[in-house]
Amino acid sequence: GAGVSQTPSNKVTEKGKYVELRCDPISGHTALYWYRQSLGQGPEFLIYFQGTGAADDSGLPNDRFFAVRPEGSVSTLKIQRTERGDSAVYLCASSQLHSTDTQYFGPGTRLTVL
Amino acid sequence: AQSVTQLDSQVPVFEEAPVELRCNYSSSVSVYLFWYVQYPNQGLQLLLKYLSGSTLVESINGFEAEFNKSQTSFHLRKPSVHISDTAEYFCAVSKLFQGAQKLVFGQGTRLTINP
Repeated sequence: GAGVSQTPSNKVTEKGKYVELRCDPISGHTALYWYRQSLGQGPEFLIYFQGTGAADDSGLPNDRFFAVRPEGSVSTLKIQRTERGDSAVYLCASSQLHSTDTQYFGPGTRLTVL
Repeated sequence: AQSVTQLDSQVPVFEEAPVELRCNYSSSVSVYLFWYVQYPNQGLQLLLKYLSGSTLVESINGFEAEFNKSQTSFHLRKPSVHISDTAEYFCAVSKLFQGAQKLVFGQGTRLTINP
């Protein structure tokens, strides 16, 4: 079946603009994660959804970052008033319900803030 | 807090040579351990994982890793590498919290195979 997909694959924006990044998880996966990978670093956890609710958003760096998953499937990561430091690859992963199930990662969205 | 240290940022080896990618973690509680691989222009893929049981875990393409609790290590090894193993390898640790498996990654090791 299809894997995790993310759109767009690349996004270039100007400082101060608003962006939305989309994640389509594997069908039937109830758990969805967002991570951020800065250049030369490993991915860092941002937020976790179990179904429609954000069960843990402790990794969001500040209140400019927000994510939703209104129907328990597709998720959107929203960044307001973007800053140059937000430039990174944003990764989405999904897994089945059981907490030890493998997380499957999407290809990522490369965000560049000029 | 958990953390992961990958001691080598780059590892160049010749084809058919053995390789070891080192990973150490810190955690005060029981954890799960993972190695993910990122091939050029592709997304992260799970290579192998340790959840419980046998401390030696293997992947389908010849890699293995051994969980060593006393040394808090989870080094990745392969006895003979191929050009196709060229990739970036990430070690990760997680613990369960409110049903979530939050992964904490190391900085990655870039494995380059030379002919």
